[in-house]
Amino acid sequence: AQSVTQLDSQVPVFEEAPVELRCNYSSSVSVYLFWYVQYPNQGLQLLLKYLSGSTLVKGINGFEAEFNKSQTSFHLRKPSVHISDTAEYFCAVIPGGRGGTSYGKLTFGQGTILTVHP
Amino acid sequence: NAGVMQNPRHLVRRRGQEARLRCSPMKGHSHVYWYRQLPEEGLKFMVYLQKENIIDESGMPKERFSAEFPKEGPSILRIQQVVRGDSAAYFCASSPMGAPKNIQYFGAGTRLSVL
Repeated sequence: AQSVTQLDSQVPVFEEAPVELRCNYSSSVSVYLFWYVQYPNQGLQLLLKYLSGSTLVKGINGFEAEFNKSQTSFHLRKPSVHISDTAEYFCAVIPGGRGGTSYGKLTFGQGTILTVHP
Repeated sequence: NAGVMQNPRHLVRRRGQEARLRCSPMKGHSHVYWYRQLPEEGLKFMVYLQKENIIDESGMPKERFSAEFPKEGPSILRIQQVVRGDSAAYFCASSPMGAPKNIQYFGAGTRLSVL
């Protein structure tokens, strides 16, 4: 089974400041990792994903994340945020293998609400 | 290219009624996933379906909930005899082939309110 912990439920930040949203996971098998963003009353949009290869992945809207296997972390960063980045961000994992039937199941963290102030 | 379409966007039911939530996957996608987002909680997996098959229903409540993805038409999540605790946002996602590498694309959700 997998679990995901997002360490901050809310992160307030001023416009143009850098931001880091933290995500730690636990799994007995290898996993793929994702960050999704949810704007108010909308569905989830994929920001970025780590499947394999370089541990630093770049996504849309200037976001990037670094996979750290030893620390089982996948923190999301942006060097300079904009008002439009205000949203809820979800970290998620999925089992990397195809054994069993759970390979379709995304496990999400509780979400981090990012609020960007002018 | 239309995304994942869910309808209705908002659904109000009284206790004891049935709720039917529809999900049309993206064109070319044959795998559908349902998730539930309860107030103050993250998204929880419910069920994973392929055309005419349930692949994984480990997240479905044992009673009152069912899901199908017929050969033709949308996927349906059905909740019988709804209770107030069923009030939540229900999200559908689809992928072109099976997970895990295939990205799940999400719809805008159906927000169910049970009075």
